[in-house]
Parts: sequence; structure tokens; C-alpha cells
Amino acid sequence: EVQLVQSGEEVKKPGESLRISCKGFGYSFKNYWITWVRQMPGKGLEWMARIDPSDSDINYSPSFQGHVTISVDRSISTAYLQWSSLKASDTAIYYCARHFPTVAGGLDVWGQGTTVTVSS
Amino acid sequence: QSVLTQPPSVSGAPGQRVTISCTGSSSNIGTGYDVHWYQHLPGAAPKLLIYDYNNRPSGVPDRFSGSKSGTSASLAITVLQAEDEADYYCQSYDSSLSGVLFGGGTKLTVL
Repeated sequence: EVQLVQSGEEVKKPGESLRISCKGFGYSFKNYWITWVRQMPGKGLEWMARIDPSDSDINYSPSFQGHVTISVDRSISTAYLQWSSLKASDTAIYYCARHFPTVAGGLDVWGQGTTVTVSS
Repeated sequence: QSVLTQPPSVSGAPGQRVTISCTGSSSNIGTGYDVHWYQHLPGAAPKLLIYDYNNRPSGVPDRFSGSKSGTSASLAITVLQAEDEADYYCQSYDSSLSGVLFGGGTKLTVL
């Protein structure tokens, strides 16, 4: 079965760093991009960034450029989303999704989501 | 602020038909970039419902269909059922932003 499994819920303080993960199962990880999507409490879906695991080519949304970093470890079929200094406004659910490898491709498999709470 | 505009909410009675619009512009839908639709149930991950305007992944009932006209796309749901109550999002690509776009989402209420 094709699936993306994300790391567990996180509770952090402002200013702390964080890395969450997304591991692919059941398909050739390098053949599909991974996209990260944010959903803030009570809000809609926002595209953050995508990465091509075959060559680590990355495209960030201007809204998130400079505030998050995405990466991939192809050897363990895992993508990462990280922050160096969290803010309270980063409180959200973060989803990874398998992205058909074209710029306008669909997101056909989604992780279960990682809830991140940032509070002092 | 999304540049793919959806109505915040729609509603319909069981058995009825509803449509959800997704209005874009010449830099996204109007250019011919594919549009996809997602169903997001509370507490679950979003689910791909329609891809490339009007194709259904395996397992999605044919009560769901998509279409496109000019700079807009639409999702139609026929024979509404209680379990269709969810948030629905359109998604495409924008050449001006050089990135993926989601619509603002539409909450479907089954009366």
C-alpha cells in the first residue's frame, strides 16, 4: 500500500527549533515530488513548498521562503520540514503529500498530518 | 489571500445536486494548468477527489465530477449524501507566483 507516514505531534516554545518528517512506503520515492501543506486552526490549506527527491530541487512559496527549510533523505525515503526558530503563528497541522511530478500535478497521497503547537 | 476564489459555503438536501466554483485568472486556470479537487473531512487528511479537471481516482464515486470553462473550474456533486459534508478545495499552479495554489475552501453542508 502506498502511504506517507508523518512524525508525531509536537509541542514547542517560541524560538525553539523543530524538524518533522514524512516517510514514504510502497512506491519509488524518487519518482514523485513531496509537497508540504499547512493548515492553521480554523483556516484553509496553504501550499508551503515542494521538493523533488531525485535531485533535491526545491520550490518555496514566497509566503514561507526563509522561514522553513525542506529537505529529503532519499536513502530512507523520508522528507523533512524544519524551522530554526518557531513562532506562535507556526501553530498548525502540517501535511506532506505525494505530488505528481509536474508543476501543476495533483497530490494523490497524503500523510496523516503532524500537529505543531508553539506556546510559551 | 488565495487567487483561486471559492464560495465559503454551499448547502443542499440529501439527493440534491450542488456545484462548487473555483475562479482563477489568466496566470493559472486560464493558462491551462490542471485543476484538482480535494475533500477534507474533519480530523482526517485531505483526499484527492478529482484530478486534471475531470478524472476520478479509483474508489471515488461517479457522483463527483469536474469541469472547466475559461478561467474557472467547477466541482459537481450529485445525489448528495450526509457523508459528503466536508470542506472542498481546488488546487492549481500559478505562473506569476511560480507555485502551487489552493482555493480558500468551501464548506459543504448537507441539510
